[in-house]
Amino acid sequence: KAGVTQTPRYLIKTRGQQVTLSCSPISGHRSVSWYQQTPGQGLQFLFEYFSETQRNKGNFPGRFSGRQFSNSRSEMNVSTLELGDSALYLCASSLSRGPSGNTIYFGEGSWLTVV
Amino acid sequence: GENVEQHPSTLSVQEGDSAVIKCTYSDSASNYFPWYKQELGKGPQLIIDIRSNVGEKKDQRIAVTLNKTAKHFSLHITETQPEDSAVYFCAASKRNDYKLSFGAGTTVTVRA
Repeated sequence: KAGVTQTPRYLIKTRGQQVTLSCSPISGHRSVSWYQQTPGQGLQFLFEYFSETQRNKGNFPGRFSGRQFSNSRSEMNVSTLELGDSALYLCASSLSRGPSGNTIYFGEGSWLTVV
Repeated sequence: GENVEQHPSTLSVQEGDSAVIKCTYSDSASNYFPWYKQELGKGPQLIIDIRSNVGEKKDQRIAVTLNKTAKHFSLHITETQPEDSAVYFCAASKRNDYKLSFGAGTTVTVRA
């Protein structure tokens, strides 16, 4: 059974540009959440999607957005990139709305470098 | 919001010895406590989790204990091996709050 798949794995962008990251959850999983990981702030929750609707959002500016498609695949977008957006962006999936009721599994992440 | 503190930040153990990582959480409504292992260049991998209706859970060489009264939980790794070297994260979440709050991580090094 394939795990959570994220693309691209690595990318370099210039300040001011925008980026779109993609995530395919584990087959059958309907909840997708996104986390940002940096050395300074650690792992921080960005948002969670279920049934194509954003159900929960962390404390990030509006430049960070996402969406979920009918097949549960998800994308996140960061507009007007800043140097501080350089991070590992992790997608996670769970069978239903989790994690309290469901185990959550992470992908390998997308490494974003903003120069 | 939930605040999770994790100690120690680094841990070096001799192969075969035990490793213990401790986490405390602030919100008494938290009821789910997973532990993740992250190797260099990879995403976090779930290694064990515990729910608030259970005090202890074991899976081969790893175990987790939960003390709800004191609001802390711990990861125990016995008979450590070099492949146990990684960064370990604890996390907590509340019922109907579909996000994980993570500790800062513990870098574990197992010396051969």
